[in-house]
Amino acid sequence: DTEVTQTPKHLVMGMTNKKSLKCEQHMGHRAMYWYKQKAKKPPELMFVYSYEKLSINESVPSRFSPECPNSSLLNLHLHALQPEDSALYLCASMPGQGADYGYTFGSGTRLTVV
Amino acid sequence: AQSVSQHNHHVILSEAASLELGCNYSYGGTVNLFWYVQYPGQHLQLLLKYFSGDPLVKGIKGFEAEFIKSKFSFNLRKPSVQWSDTAEYFCAVNSYNQGGKLIFGQGTELSVKP
Repeated sequence: DTEVTQTPKHLVMGMTNKKSLKCEQHMGHRAMYWYKQKAKKPPELMFVYSYEKLSINESVPSRFSPECPNSSLLNLHLHALQPEDSALYLCASMPGQGADYGYTFGSGTRLTVV
Repeated sequence: AQSVSQHNHHVILSEAASLELGCNYSYGGTVNLFWYVQYPGQHLQLLLKYFSGDPLVKGIKGFEAEFIKSKFSFNLRKPSVQWSDTAEYFCAVNSYNQGGKLIFGQGTELSVKP
């Protein structure tokens, strides 16, 4: 299995809802990443987990809450989002957090906040 | 701070024309370099990457890139584009002291006219 699987592919949520995005990989990768991408813009890093511990938080608002329950799974919990949070949310993984590897990206969750 | 600059925001070509997209980065240490492609409505796909060795790197779909260390450049080339190459192209860099954080350029939109 050489894929990063993200679910759901599309999500529409209201500003008072609570939802979660899920990312899964079975490649034995120990570093996992959340990126946010707005239309026609490059991805922006949100969080990095290394060996199931949060190692980088790029000053992301607390309405986004990451979780890494085990080495294969990465969640992003969403609560009280704003319409401007509508974007493509990408998960990625690497064998380790160093720079000697390339990312494997998931296909993303397209989130619309109404 | 590390940054990536893509000079062309939107490139329009006719089929069979040659392509060169510019990418420059600012970082004095050892870096790894990537080109990603994003077809309309789709996720990021890795075109090619440079870690070390031969500075001329060949990727998928007939793309290649040349790393010129003295110019801090990693330009993407293709001898003859096709309509199906219409997409957004992102150059990206990571380095050994960035914990695997991938820094993206702003992207270049390529439109190929049939």
